[in-house]
Amino acid sequence: EPEVTQTPSHQVTQMGQEVILRCVPISNHLYFYWYRQILGQKVEFLVSFYNNEISEKSEIFDDQFSVERPDGSNFTLKIRSTKLEDSAMYFCASRGQDTGELFFGEGSRLTVL
Amino acid sequence: SQQGEEDPQALSIQEGENATMNCSYKTSINNLQWYRQNSGRGLVHLILIRSNEREKHSGRLRVTLDTSKKSSSLLITASRAADTASYFCAAETSGSRLTFGEGTQLTVNP
Repeated sequence: EPEVTQTPSHQVTQMGQEVILRCVPISNHLYFYWYRQILGQKVEFLVSFYNNEISEKSEIFDDQFSVERPDGSNFTLKIRSTKLEDSAMYFCASRGQDTGELFFGEGSRLTVL
Repeated sequence: SQQGEEDPQALSIQEGENATMNCSYKTSINNLQWYRQNSGRGLVHLILIRSNEREKHSGRLRVTLDTSKKSSSLLITASRAADTASYFCAAETSGSRLTFGEGTQLTVNP
């Protein structure tokens, strides 16, 4: 069964460092998303991406965040200068053309020290 | 205002019993979805109900949607220990953004 894969599964970084989280969405999907979940809290929308551009972003997704689809398979989230409060589980998701169902990866746990 | 607020926050039942979780939302939606999350894992889609539907079934799952009350419920029948997980409702608004609720932690005791 096709699945969304994310790397790394866990990354520890120092405050102020840049982090890139990588995702490989399901191959025939057209819509891509990043969500995050701070420990013990609900899942929060960050950004959606379609047709090689951001289609929607939340107030969390400020200038420190960027997304890119550098080739036909990868979808990345970059945090330029990490803060302590960026510590969370980051989930990538994708969906196909004719369905509202999102397929989530297992997440990348980011710990900022 | 918050979208997708669930109750109860935690539910503990015995195997074989039914589990009901409720969700409320604030704005107009395209659809309402339910997801399951095992501890430390990704979210798994369970069921989607469109704004023009009132009830939907999938196996042991039954979802209802009342757009006049802006609420939905998820019923899991004949629960099993393997159903232990967190359950989230998610409202799809315009632009395909999903807004998740706080979640219900379901524990099914063997």
